[in-house]
Amino acid sequence: GDSVTQMEGPVTLSEEAFLTINCTYTATGYPSLFWYVQYPGEGLQLLLKATKADDKGSNKGFEATYRKETTSFHLEKGSVQVSDSAVYFCALGPNSGGSNYKLTFGKGTLLTVNP
Amino acid sequence: GAVVSQHPSWVICKSGTSVKIECRSLDFQATTMFWYRQFPKQSLMLMATSNEGSKATYEQGVEKDKFLINHASLTLSTLTVTSAHPEDSSFYICSARVAGYSNQPQHFGDGTRLSIL
Repeated sequence: GDSVTQMEGPVTLSEEAFLTINCTYTATGYPSLFWYVQYPGEGLQLLLKATKADDKGSNKGFEATYRKETTSFHLEKGSVQVSDSAVYFCALGPNSGGSNYKLTFGKGTLLTVNP
Repeated sequence: GAVVSQHPSWVICKSGTSVKIECRSLDFQATTMFWYRQFPKQSLMLMATSNEGSKATYEQGVEKDKFLINHASLTLSTLTVTSAHPEDSSFYICSARVAGYSNQPQHFGDGTRLSIL
């Protein structure tokens, strides 16, 4: 079945440091890939997505490129801020639009950014 | 756009009571809504998939008589935890997906923290 393997945290960085959170996946076919962010005590917010190979998703300074050859979707940001402290989830979903469209989540990576 | 509202955000109740959680898509129609459970410092566990006008599909190991799901309209799904006990205490999150489009992401509510005393 489909699965997502995500870099285990926690990750602690100083403000303005470079961030990489690794994510690799196993799936049949050509899934869509997502990064979600969860701030303390809140639900998940979509951060970015990519729906086909070589697509780059980007939002709020974060980027991730859909790499089919390495089955990866690593999250990067050039300069993190304290406000980026949160849990980040990598997820995949099938590319079909059926009624039972389900997301498969990684275990999440806790990022703490210190001033 | 694509806002999902979940209510209540926090509920504390006595063991044995039933608790209803609402999930509403505010600015779009959601054919499908999903209910997740999240334990502290863990990922989301899908409990069930709720399709408007039909019975929910429960994941293996989830008691359908314990967690009643109703999806009566394209903008509202409810999860009722019946005869709740302390082990049901958790963070419950719903999500909704735009009807009719493939490759569209799920949009999540802010979650409901349920504490059973």
